[in-house]
Amino acid sequence: DAGVTQSPTHLIKTRGQQVTLRCSPKSGHDTVSWYQQALGQGPQFIFQYYEEEERQRGNFPDRFSGHQFPNYSSELNVNALLLGDSALYLCASSPDSMNTEAFFGQGTRLTVV
Amino acid sequence: QKEVEQDPGPLSVPEGAIVSLNCTYSNSAFQYFMWYRQYSRKGPELLMYTYSSGNKEDGRFTAQVDKSSKYISLFIRDSQPSDSATYLCAMSAKGFQKLVFGTGTRLLVSP
Repeated sequence: DAGVTQSPTHLIKTRGQQVTLRCSPKSGHDTVSWYQQALGQGPQFIFQYYEEEERQRGNFPDRFSGHQFPNYSSELNVNALLLGDSALYLCASSPDSMNTEAFFGQGTRLTVV
Repeated sequence: QKEVEQDPGPLSVPEGAIVSLNCTYSNSAFQYFMWYRQYSRKGPELLMYTYSSGNKEDGRFTAQVDKSSKYISLFIRDSQPSDSATYLCAMSAKGFQKLVFGTGTRLLVSP
């Protein structure tokens, strides 16, 4: 089992550009959540996807959007990048039917210059 | 005021020491409590998961939850240099929907 996989691992973008990050959940998991972790801070919840719908959203602007595909993989899109969007973006997956562990991927480190 | 408060450290201990890591929280709706370990530039790794109040032990790790005081702890016995990492507490009101994290405590275990 490959666990939660994220791509790319590192990314450098320019202010104003758009970026797409990808996540494949752990086998058997149907729920995907995205988090942003700034340097020296804990992860902050962006949103969660279940059955291809955004189920819950944190306090992030509409520039942050996502998608979940029928195979449960997910994308995080960020438009009009700001310097402050530089962070580690983490994807977590869990099975919705049970209150069990959420597993995190290794993250994508985004640097906006 | 943050929903979850955690001392950022760093906490420096010698090898073999007992380590105590703590978090306080303000939201009484939280029922699920977790501790994650995060090595530098890696994703968080789940160490302990506890529902409601009580203790849970797993090897060298013990998690405690006191909902009346809104206080959770993680104890590490016989600490090793490989335990050096950032430890994040996290909690949620309903399963794994929207985990709320502390800022993390950096632990340094010296040989």
